[in-house]
Amino acid sequence: AQSVSQHNHHVILSEAASLELGCNYSYGGTVNLFWYVQYPGQHLQLLLKYFSGDPLVKGIKGFEAEFIKSKFSFNLRKPSVQWSDTAEYFCAVTSNSGGYQKVTFGIGTKLQVIP
Amino acid sequence: KAGVTQTPRYLIKTRGQQVTLSCSPISGHRSVSWYQQTPGQGLQFLFEYFSETQRNKGNFPGRFSGRQFSNSRSEMNVSTLELGDSALYLCASSFGTSGGSETQYFGPGTRLLVL
Repeated sequence: AQSVSQHNHHVILSEAASLELGCNYSYGGTVNLFWYVQYPGQHLQLLLKYFSGDPLVKGIKGFEAEFIKSKFSFNLRKPSVQWSDTAEYFCAVTSNSGGYQKVTFGIGTKLQVIP
Repeated sequence: KAGVTQTPRYLIKTRGQQVTLSCSPISGHRSVSWYQQTPGQGLQFLFEYFSETQRNKGNFPGRFSGRQFSNSRSEMNVSTLELGDSALYLCASSFGTSGGSETQYFGPGTRLLVL
């Protein structure tokens, strides 16, 4: 079965601190990986995604994530967070299941950035 | 290009009632997926419709059902509401033809409160 674990459920950081949010998945086949962000009162929106190629992917607003296949991980990073990064972050895994997409989301990590 | 829209945005119902939620996907998208978002469980996949057919289903009871119309608009119905059905219900659309490597675009959600 396909599953996603986000170990940090609530993270509090000061502005300018570095961020790393963990995401581990469980699935034996080929996967595609996503990070979504949900700002307070806004839609869930795509932050970045990995399908193939360079395992280090860059997304919007200075975020990046690295796919480490051997560790089944896709951790999200940002060198210096801002107050505006306060949001909930979701890791998601998709795979091809009989020709269509099977999607599994992690439970989410709430990030609070203190000015 | 208009985004995914969901109506109504807020609903209050009582136990035992039924409710119907609506989702209009991005123009050209034929896949509509529904998720239940709760603080303790994160995003849980309900089902996906593509070309008026349900082609993927999560682990929810039969009280949760849906349908899709020829214009790709989708409705989700929950019968015999329970307190535990209180949640944010999200709809996401995509083209639905890439079998595992698609980005989903989310609507603002319908917040359902069951009293």
